[in-house]
Amino acid sequence: DQQVKQNSPSLSVQEGRISILNCDYTNSMFDYFLWYKKYPAEGPTFLISISSIKDKNEDGRFTVFLNKSAKHLSLHIVPSQPGDSAVYFCAASARGSSNTGKLIFGQGTTLQVKP
Amino acid sequence: DAGITQSPRHKVTETGTPVTLRCHQTENHRYMYWYRQDPGHGLRLIHYSYGVKDTDKGEVSDGYSVSRSKTEDFLLTLESATSSQTSVYFCAIAPSDYEQYFGPGTRLTVT
Repeated sequence: DQQVKQNSPSLSVQEGRISILNCDYTNSMFDYFLWYKKYPAEGPTFLISISSIKDKNEDGRFTVFLNKSAKHLSLHIVPSQPGDSAVYFCAASARGSSNTGKLIFGQGTTLQVKP
Repeated sequence: DAGITQSPRHKVTETGTPVTLRCHQTENHRYMYWYRQDPGHGLRLIHYSYGVKDTDKGEVSDGYSVSRSKTEDFLLTLESATSSQTSVYFCAIAPSDYEQYFGPGTRLTVT
């Protein structure tokens, strides 16, 4: 029962172009979504997040879009840089005392940005 | 730097032996988590703690136990390691209700 899915294991883009990473979820109780970036031999680092009351959140080159009706979110990176090459995980959380802090992660998408 | 360290960073052990991984935080956060990362599965929650001596199970808790006797330390124990527990283990802390910050990870190999 994969509640958060990243259906693309890998993505390759040219430097300067847009990278779009996708994530789908099934649990309608999720009300907060996060993206993490992970380099080899390091822990995941928090990148950007969005609450379910919004449909867009932007931070510099990174924008997350949320489509609640489709249960879909995406991360846009513009322009892509070689240093963005990493594994990207989306994660979701549901409010409620029994779920406090519990994050459900997708499988990850490996992004390669070619110079 | 989120103020989280994990030890050891790498460990090779034999099937059937006990193993303890340590997570240490300098941030005094109430919530701490243990995850494992495996190809095709992302990160999966093993156990978490919401205070000293307060712990609960995650989605893949079988074969693991945890203890938290001090706010800053969260221990993960494999009582009798199996090859299926070969993985990369990450500890995390939660400075807010939703966001979590991760340690550098421990690569465990069970032969």
